[in-house]
Amino acid sequence: AQSVAQPEDQVNVAEGNPLTVKCTYSVSGNPYLFWYVQYPNRGLQFLLKYITGDNLVKGSYGFEAEFNKSQTSFHLKKPSALVSDSALYFCAVREKTGANNLFFGTGTRLTVIP
Amino acid sequence: SQTIHQWPATLVQPVGSPLSLECTVEGTSNPNLYWYRQAAGRGLQLLFYSVGIGQISSEVPQNLSASRPQDRQFILSSKKLLLSDSGFYLCAWSQVPHANSPLHFGNGTRLTVT
Repeated sequence: AQSVAQPEDQVNVAEGNPLTVKCTYSVSGNPYLFWYVQYPNRGLQFLLKYITGDNLVKGSYGFEAEFNKSQTSFHLKKPSALVSDSALYFCAVREKTGANNLFFGTGTRLTVIP
Repeated sequence: SQTIHQWPATLVQPVGSPLSLECTVEGTSNPNLYWYRQAAGRGLQLLFYSVGIGQISSEVPQNLSASRPQDRQFILSSKKLLLSDSGFYLCAWSQVPHANSPLHFGNGTRLTVT
């Protein structure tokens, strides 16, 4: 069975500071991992994905994520937070065997404080 | 480039009334199509997905149904709405082969059943 956990409902960070949004996953095989961002009353926007290769993945808007197989984690990071980064962030996983569904975490609300 | 359209953006319907939400995708052919519901601004629940015209898989038994009358059109319906059907409905598509393809979401429909 596939599952994703986002242990923090809320993350607050000061503008200009680095940010981390945590995600751990559980799959029986090798995973495809994704991060999405959602602004109020909008759909989810794709940020980045891990397929294979380099464990550090770079995505949109200066975000990056680090895949750690031993810890089954895929934390989202950004070196310097902007107020405009405040939004709801979702981690998602799919097994490489090709299941149709993406399994989403419950989301982490990021607030960047000016 | 590919785009996805969902309408209406907001909808207020009385209990017992019918529902029809539409989603269309442009700029791609034979996409996988999905309907998700997001309750309380958080977790995403997969309702239906489709791998082709007339092919619908239901993930959650309920009073909703989905249809795919054309390759790039996906419709979510109900004959009689319940209060519990209120929520934010998101349509999404992905490319085939899909295992490492992200989902691309529409802007959603906020449904309030009164």
